[in-house]
Amino acid sequence: EAGVAQSPRYKIIEKRQSVAFWCNPISGHATLYWYQQILGQGPKLLIQFQNNGVVDDSQLPKDRFSAERLKGVDSTLKIQPAKLEDSAVYLCASSLVMGGTGELFFGEGSRLTVL
Amino acid sequence: DAKTTQPNSMESNEEEPVHLPCNHSTISGTDYIHWYRQLPSQGPEYVIHGLTSNVNNRMASLAIAEDRKSSTLILHRATLRDAAVYYCILRASNAGNNRKLIWGLGTSLAVNP
Repeated sequence: EAGVAQSPRYKIIEKRQSVAFWCNPISGHATLYWYQQILGQGPKLLIQFQNNGVVDDSQLPKDRFSAERLKGVDSTLKIQPAKLEDSAVYLCASSLVMGGTGELFFGEGSRLTVL
Repeated sequence: DAKTTQPNSMESNEEEPVHLPCNHSTISGTDYIHWYRQLPSQGPEYVIHGLTSNVNNRMASLAIAEDRKSSTLILHRATLRDAAVYYCILRASNAGNNRKLIWGLGTSLAVNP
């Protein structure tokens, strides 16, 4: 079974530029999550989708971050304009069910460096 | 928001058992206890989860206190490949509950050969 695919693995940009990350979850997984992980910290949930609807985006900095999952399958996370503090690993995860019985499957992450 | 507390770091010797503790005093009756681990430069990997009873799988065992305010992840025989950061998190069982999952700093486990 294919895992969660993410791209690009690494991205270096200058502040005020824009960047986009792509995620393809495990086939059949209705729930998709984007996390931000700053070096030395645990993952922080940015947004959660159930199919193509947003379940929770309360921690997403909406002035610069946006995410979409138009067809309920793959998803894109965009940052525009980027700030130095956005340097982090952006992790995508998916799960078969939204509740507590479902395990999360993570991709390898996209490491962003903002100069 | 549900929060967990774990020691920052622990050390073990290869082929010895490891007990990783987690405190979750604010757990609600419907929260599942999940454990994940993260190897360097990789995304977190699911280890085990439980609700009330102790659980075993091929990777580890999960011992849950009777009052559910703490749990312990048990690696029966540590190997060098078990060196990772281990996270204990709580997940609401209600699919409609949007309560945020808070990941702490986790426990960084070092395994000595």
